[in-house]
This record gives sequence, structure tokens and C-alpha cells, in this order.
Amino acid sequence: EPEVTQTPSHQVTQMGQEVILRCVPISNHLYFYWYRQILGQKVEFLVSFYNNEISEKSEIFDDQFSVERPDGSNFTLKIRSTKLEDSAMYFCASTYRVNSGANVLTFGAGSRLTVL
Amino acid sequence: AQSVAQPEDQVNVAEGNPLTVKCTYSVSGNPYLFWYVQYPNRGLQFLLKYITGDNLVKGSYGFEAEFNKSQTSFHLKKPSALVSDSALYFCAVRDTGGGNKLTFGTGTQLKVEL
Repeated sequence: EPEVTQTPSHQVTQMGQEVILRCVPISNHLYFYWYRQILGQKVEFLVSFYNNEISEKSEIFDDQFSVERPDGSNFTLKIRSTKLEDSAMYFCASTYRVNSGANVLTFGAGSRLTVL
Repeated sequence: AQSVAQPEDQVNVAEGNPLTVKCTYSVSGNPYLFWYVQYPNRGLQFLLKYITGDNLVKGSYGFEAEFNKSQTSFHLKKPSALVSDSALYFCAVRDTGGGNKLTFGTGTQLKVEL
């Protein structure tokens, strides 16, 4: 069964450092997402991406965050200058299309980010 | 804005007994509702969805969920729990504004014991 793969599984970084989280979506999927879950809290939407541009973003997704699909397969989330409150599990997801309520997002296993 | 509530942080049930994991939602229009499960060190896995039609939805691994519009609920159920069902369960509602953004609940840890 096709999977969404994420790397690294766990990253520890110092406050103020840049972090890049990587995702390989399912190959024929066209829509890509990042979600995050702070420990003990809800899974929160960050951003959606289609046709090489952001289609929607949440209030959490401020100027410190960016996404790109540099090579047609990887989908990355960059945090420019990490803060303590960025510590969370970050989930990548993908789907084939969105013009139907029947669409299901396929999620990766997540990347745990710890900011010290 | 849409929201989802999962009132129980943890549900404990004995193997072989029926289980229920509760979920209530709030949306402005018609809801599209989903259940996902997360096993340790794995991603969120899709279990089942309600879009329209029958209120009782059947999904993977013997799970089902009942959509109740008057109570704005979408409780997850299984007639006979297995130890292997122990995992973290998330209810989610789709944004009625379009796109495919999901709003999740906080999750319910299900523990099935022998």
C-alpha cells in the first residue's frame, strides 16, 4: 500500500536554528498538507499546497514557515528560526483531488521536533 | 468555524466487550466526518468516513460509526474489542468551505485489556 514517508522521525534543535522537515507524498497525489500536534493538544492544520503554490494556510503558518516542492517528489516544511513553542509532531499528508467530500488524506508517521 | 470535541482522553475496555469512542462536532453546513487511528510510531490511518446517506458507516477492522444529526455526534463503535485495537483515535470534520482541510479533535486513547 502506498505510503507518505517523512524524515527525520525526530529532530532536536536549538532555539533560533533553521529546521527542514521532509516528506515524500504518494506519487500520483496532487494536494499536499502539513499539520502539527503539540503534545496533548489537537492536530492543527498548517498549510495546503497545490500546483506549486500555497492554497490555504492557517494563522499558525506565519513568516517563519515556508513550504516548497523542490524536485517534484519531496515536499518540505522549513521553519526559519525555531522557537520553543514550535516543539511538536509535524504530519505531512497528501491526496489525489479535493473536489469531492469523499477524498481521504493519507498521512505520514510524523516528524517530532524538539526545540531546546 | 468548525470544531470537533472528543470528551474522553482515554477509554478502557475489556477484550471482547463493545467499545464506543465519542465525538461531537460543530459546522455551519453539512458535515463530512472522519475517524483516523494512530498506532505508536505510525501515521494517522483512515478508518471510515461519513459524507451522506446511511447514518451507520462501516469501516476498516470491524469499526463502525453512527452519524446523529440531531445530537451532532459521530461516535465510533466496535461490537467486540481486541487488544490490538489499542491506539489513539482521532475524529475529524472537513471544512465545508471547500478544499480538504480537516479539523481534528484532541484524540482519545483506547486501551483494550485482557
